[in-house]
Amino acid sequence: QVQLQESGPGLVKPSQTLSLTCTVSGVSTRSGSYYWSWIRQPAGKGLEWIGHIYTTGSTNYNSSLKSRVTISIDTSKNHFSLILSSVTAADTAVYYCARYDRVGFDYWGQGALVSVSS
Amino acid sequence: DIQMTQSPSSLSASVGDRITITCRASQGIRKDLGWYQQKPGKAPKRLIYAASNLDSGVPSRFSGSGSGTEFTLTISSLQPDDFATYYCLQHNSYPLTFGGGTKVEIK
Repeated sequence: QVQLQESGPGLVKPSQTLSLTCTVSGVSTRSGSYYWSWIRQPAGKGLEWIGHIYTTGSTNYNSSLKSRVTISIDTSKNHFSLILSSVTAADTAVYYCARYDRVGFDYWGQGALVSVSS
Repeated sequence: DIQMTQSPSSLSASVGDRITITCRASQGIRKDLGWYQQKPGKAPKRLIYAASNLDSGVPSRFSGSGSGTEFTLTISSLQPDDFATYYCLQHNSYPLTFGGGTKVEIK
């Protein structure tokens, strides 16, 4: 079955770079049917779409984060990654990776808590 | 950006109640809307896509309707497993945007 799993440091210092990877199993990231997405949720708050990437490497980002976000994909390893630069405390959140099937997010990772603190 | 306004932000209801949650878009989004259920400490789960289509395995007590700017999620007979937070998501245009959420609590 399809599974997504986030991994990466749980603590990042202010002004540094947050880096997460989402490992996908049960489906190939080479599939032309899906986009591979990142979504975040600060504690006790709502969901914010960060951006997503297609198998070709084409990306779409939320304009609110666009200057600081890079999403990349490695289809040979069947994973995709998120880099968020110049982080502040406001970037503390649970970060989810998810599969976008053009009508929404049908599979999600369990989420990774990333705290920004010195 | 398209703003998604959900109401109410929270509600209290009893098992067996019929409840309705509304999502309004700041501009027309055709039927490009989904509904998600999130329980504490868990990832959201999609219930409905394209405004009114039930995802596989989702109980038939859930239903969605609407198009354009106004959408509703209805639970016909609330069950204990349904107490959660519900979000709408528009995917008509970038950036994809979620509603603020509706927390459904036990009365």
